[in-house]
Amino acid sequence: GENVEQHPSTLSVQEGDSAVIKCTYSDSASNYFPWYKQELGKRPQLIIDIRSNVGEKKDQRIAVTLNKTAKHFSLHITETQPEDSAVYFCATVSGGSYIPTFGRGTSLIVHP
Amino acid sequence: EAGVTQFPSHSVIEKGQTVTLRCDPISGHDNLYWYRRVMGKEIKFLLHFVKESKQDESGMPNNRFLAERTGGTYSTLKVQPAELEDSGVYFCASSQTGFNEQFFGPGTRLTVL
Repeated sequence: GENVEQHPSTLSVQEGDSAVIKCTYSDSASNYFPWYKQELGKRPQLIIDIRSNVGEKKDQRIAVTLNKTAKHFSLHITETQPEDSAVYFCATVSGGSYIPTFGRGTSLIVHP
Repeated sequence: EAGVTQFPSHSVIEKGQTVTLRCDPISGHDNLYWYRRVMGKEIKFLLHFVKESKQDESGMPNNRFLAERTGGTYSTLKVQPAELEDSGVYFCASSQTGFNEQFFGPGTRLTVL
């Protein structure tokens, strides 16, 4: 089955810095890559996603890049703010499946 | 529109007891999923309902776990008897179709002592 590795497990940055979270996966049939953000005490929410026919997608201060050949994808957050502090989960979904395989999560702490 | 709701938010039980978790999906969402996250680890898939039918239950750990979705509306996940390793946060999610975005509930934190 699919194996998703996510790094780092914890990331601490100063407000205004950039943050990068990286994920690698093993299943070459994976074609959908969502990212979820879970603030403390709240539900995981989809913040951005990318499909395998696209190499990069951007939405304001967040962007995701995908390298299908190397089987890795990354979340980039620029100009971080304290409200970006949360646990971020990457996930992959294989073609024909509905079920995401998640990484272990990255706890991002943005210090004011 | 109300999101996915789960009850209870927290449950602390002793080993050997029974616990039932409930999930109410977004109205009109035929697809309902259960996941579990053990502390510090990944969110793991447990099972998937389409309406009242179990579409995929490959992630259910063992026969101590029983999920139901009578009438295709809310779902329950019963753990009987609970073991220490069942502790974790149980998430429910729903989607309109299988390929649409899944909307998560806030989770139920289960602690088995």
